[in-house]
Amino acid sequence: NAGVMQNPRHLVRRRGQEARLRCSPMKGHSHVYWYRQLPEEGLKFMVYLQKENIIDESGMPKERFSAEFPKEGPSILRIQQVVRGDSAAYFCASSPLRTGQNTEAFFGQGTRLTVV
Amino acid sequence: GEDVEQSLFLSVREGDSSVINCTYTDSSSTYLYWYKQEPGAGLQLLTYIFSNMDMKQDQRLTVLLNKKDKHLSLRIADTQTGDSAIYFCAENPDSSYKLIFGSGTRLLVRP
Repeated sequence: NAGVMQNPRHLVRRRGQEARLRCSPMKGHSHVYWYRQLPEEGLKFMVYLQKENIIDESGMPKERFSAEFPKEGPSILRIQQVVRGDSAAYFCASSPLRTGQNTEAFFGQGTRLTVV
Repeated sequence: GEDVEQSLFLSVREGDSSVINCTYTDSSSTYLYWYKQEPGAGLQLLTYIFSNMDMKQDQRLTVLLNKKDKHLSLRIADTQTGDSAIYFCAENPDSSYKLIFGSGTRLLVRP
């Protein structure tokens, strides 16, 4: 059973371009969480999705950022018109049930986005 | 408010014990976690403690929880060079799915 797979591992975008980050959860996991890690900081929650539904996007900027988790395929975090401040590591985690109730979330290796 | 604090850096000699400290703010957190992040890698859950426990031991790892002071510590016995990494503590207020992370403590183990 492969772990949480994120790709690409590294992504470089020029200001104004779009960034698409993909996350394939572990097999059998229908809950996906995205976190952002700015340099020298801890991870900050962005969004929680179940298949085809956004459960909580309270940590996601209102503009330029969107996330989806379609019935088939990976979860996508999309950042439009990137700016330098979007440079960070973006981590995806998945779990079979909602975490916080004795259920562990497994993290991917992250996508490191650099905006030049 | 939601704020988890850790010291930024710890350096120890190989074979010594390491103690990484963390303070958290939300007494409603059900679980408190320690994650390890190696360079360029994701987060690996090392251990966690349920909020009604004072201590948990798992091989070389000992977690101590002081609920009154909202203080959590991770002790690594016989620290090895492979333990060099960033260690994050995290809480989940109100048994939420959201984890609140500290900024991480960078552990450097000297030969």
